This record gives sequence, structure tokens and C-alpha cells, in this order.
Amino acid sequence: DADVTQTPRNRITKTGKRIMLECSQTKGHDRMYWYRQDPGLGLQLIYYSFDVKDINKGEISDGYSVSRQAQAKFSLSLESAIPNQTALYFCATSDSASTGELFFGEGSRLTVL
Amino acid sequence: AQSVTQLDSHVSVSEGTPVLLRCNYSSSYSPSLFWYVQHPNKGLQLLLKYTSAATLVKGINGFEAEFKKSETSFHLTKPSAHMSDAAEYFCVVSDRRYGNKLVFGAGTILRVKS
Repeated sequence: DADVTQTPRNRITKTGKRIMLECSQTKGHDRMYWYRQDPGLGLQLIYYSFDVKDINKGEISDGYSVSRQAQAKFSLSLESAIPNQTALYFCATSDSASTGELFFGEGSRLTVL
Repeated sequence: AQSVTQLDSHVSVSEGTPVLLRCNYSSSYSPSLFWYVQHPNKGLQLLLKYTSAATLVKGINGFEAEFKKSETSFHLTKPSAHMSDAAEYFCVVSDRRYGNKLVFGAGTILRVKS
């Protein structure tokens, strides 16, 4: 089983719908992240959480919200999806004792029509 | 602020020839630098990292990178490309002053021709 699991892997939805992407990890890491990948732009940080009670906005948090339900679970919500949120979303984890190495899930491809 | 520039969006090499993927960074402190690889339909995987130890860093699958502070570069190389190296590669900088948050380059797609 993967150390960082994302669900769903693929989702097609319509403008205005609420969408939740879920992430769970078995690595025991305290830090979790949500990134968005668009072609030619690399990865951009949406939100990050250093522990269950610590949630922080990243570079592009507008239109998104998150919930850290437990150390192992971090979900990303789009309250009212719009077409320019069509992208590949990645969850990642890291250990606070490390120098920044991230462990990624396999991604959730979201299409908003 | 930190930033990363990957100088080529696409690189094409023949199998068995050397690979060079170029990366320049901007960081006003001593950064940590990483190369990640992403194969199609997969998440990113760490290839190698520099964290202020030896300036020549060896990674997985025969890749290595050299940290050159005077040139603010961290280019990725491999002596002989293999078909399985075809993927997208990301150069990443992390700075302790910014909570070790990572900043990603735009990526370089490596194509390997047979």
C-alpha cells in the first residue's frame, strides 16, 4: 500500500459544485501539504499544516479550504468549483525533523466543466 | 524571497548520451536544494538533495548534481541516459528562514530517444 493515499484519483464535476479531495498517510509525519500542479508552472502550495492544530495558507489558497481531521488525514475542499481550478492536485507529507524532503501521493486529477 | 529557474522546459537526448538539466536558484541564505522526478501519472519522487554537506551530490538511478554557490546553480547530470529516465524533473529550493517551505521550478520534461 502507498504511504500517502489520495482519493479520488480522478474527478469530473460541474461549476458551482462542492468537491472534497482526501489524503491519508501512514508515514507518521506531522506535516502535510496540498499542492496544485499546472503545466509549465511547477507545483504551487495551496495549504499546509505542521500539526493537527496548525493550518496555514500557501501561495494560492483563495477558493480552497482544508481540514486536518487527524495527524494522518488532511482534506482539501473546493466550496464552489470553477473551471480554472481544473488541475492535478498533490498531497505531500514531511517530518519536522527533516530538511524539507516531501513524500507525495499519486495525485488527484480534477476537471471542472 | 527564494526562487528557482529551470532554464529548459524540454530536453531531448538519445539513449546512452549524457543528460544535463539546468537549474539556477535565488536565496539570500544557505539553501537546501532538491531534484524531484515525476513519471507519467505518478507523484513526485526525491532524486537527490543538497543540505550544506558535500557540494557534489549523488542520487538514485545514476543521477548527480553539483551545488555551485558562486554561480547559484544546481544542475542535474547523468553520464548515460536510459529510456526509463524519460520524465519531468523539478528543481526545488528550501530555506530555513521560510520555515523550510519548498519553492518549485517550472519543471523540465526529459525525452529520451532510442
